[in-house]
Amino acid sequence: RKEVEQDPGPFNVPEGATVAFNCTYSNSASQSFFWYRQDCRKEPKLLMSVYSSGNEDGRFTAQLNRASQYISLLIRDSKLSDSATYLCVVTPGGGSSNTGKLIFGQGTTLQVKP
Amino acid sequence: DAMVIQNPRYQVTQFGKPVTLSCSQTLNHNVMYWYQQKSSQAPKLLFHYYDKDFNNEADTPDNFQSRRPNTSFCFLDIRSPGLGDAAMYLCATSMRRQETQYFGPGTRLLVL
Repeated sequence: RKEVEQDPGPFNVPEGATVAFNCTYSNSASQSFFWYRQDCRKEPKLLMSVYSSGNEDGRFTAQLNRASQYISLLIRDSKLSDSATYLCVVTPGGGSSNTGKLIFGQGTTLQVKP
Repeated sequence: DAMVIQNPRYQVTQFGKPVTLSCSQTLNHNVMYWYQQKSSQAPKLLFHYYDKDFNNEADTPDNFQSRRPNTSFCFLDIRSPGLGDAAMYLCATSMRRQETQYFGPGTRLLVL
């Protein structure tokens, strides 16, 4: 089983739609959680951190459910510029050797169409 | 201004011919990471340096080595590239291990 699993998509949605991405992680000791965005042939860029209390940044809302080991990202009012791959990222627990290590999911591809 | 710089952006090498990829940073960060990302796959950590302390991932092949001569620069050496090593190689930095990582634009390696 992969440490971080995502539905690869692609998700094809019209402009203005609301779309939700889900992610599960296998290590219950995981410490930190993020969503990164990666455009085609570019580097990943941090979109937002994810907290148990949930957090919102404009049109983007992220949620963490530690009991279910589940992370979500909601994008409201999708724009053409939101088209990208969204990577779910986790930092594992379990000792100093893992400190700072990022475990990436495969990514979910979003295509927003006019 | 670019904060994490990778050179070259594209590298073509021959099967078995050693190649070195370069990463430099202007952030004065303590930690530098190298990731490998193959097509349609997640980035995978190869190793990282915390200052001069080298930390290798258990499943990183011996074919991959790294050097960090000073705070600003970190190199990825592939001693004998195989066809399966064709990928995007991403360098990232962070001030400390648990802090946000900043990625460079990547070097795309092609092995002929």
